[in-house]
Amino acid sequence: EIMMTQSPATLSVSPGERVTLSCRASQSVSSNLAWYQQKHGQAPRLLIYGASTRATGIPARFSGSGSGTEFTLTINSLQSEDFAVYYCQQYKNWPPVTFGPGTKVDIK
Amino acid sequence: QITLEESGPTLVKPTQTLTLTCTFSGFSLRTDGMGVAWIRQPPGEALEWVALIFWNEDKRYIASLRNRLTITKDTSKNQVVLTMTNVDPVDTATYYCAQMRPSRSGVILFDHWGQGILVTVSS
Repeated sequence: EIMMTQSPATLSVSPGERVTLSCRASQSVSSNLAWYQQKHGQAPRLLIYGASTRATGIPARFSGSGSGTEFTLTINSLQSEDFAVYYCQQYKNWPPVTFGPGTKVDIK
Repeated sequence: QITLEESGPTLVKPTQTLTLTCTFSGFSLRTDGMGVAWIRQPPGEALEWVALIFWNEDKRYIASLRNRLTITKDTSKNQVVLTMTNVDPVDTATYYCAQMRPSRSGVILFDHWGQGILVTVSS
């Protein structure tokens, strides 16, 4: 089973700042990595897949990078609606599909 | 427009069997490469993939729950049903069903999600 870790667990930022979230896989997943955003009380939403491709309707301020075991989600100029929990998910080797523990982005 | 909606009991007693139904619209499980998954999230915790059923009846389960889970589909009703036997308080979670992006190459992405149903296991 591929284990996913994310850092930091929580990030306190101000609107307008640039945010960088990290995700690490216990073994290479190539580019088979997705990012989801989950706002409080809502279902997750797919943001990024293939490590760097934005899903339909996702603003350009969201970008993903990385391959192998190290991945990054960057949010440029954080907006108020971006405060949420972000999860990474690998789909290289499954079952199981595995998610990271999440990074919470909250208001400083 | 694709929608999914979970339904079932919100409170079950330990050792009972939990049956959850996902009713969807806007896509068909007859479509080549299509799949529907169940993903759960204990309160305040992370997402955990639980089960997946494909258009061709292929079924996959998380290993830790394999002997307690059954996933089935009723294509004519546009429904996917998850059954979990012998529930325990640790199974308390919000259960989501999600549409998998159609793929025949092993790409597992969840494009559309239901709003989730909070199931509490307590006596």
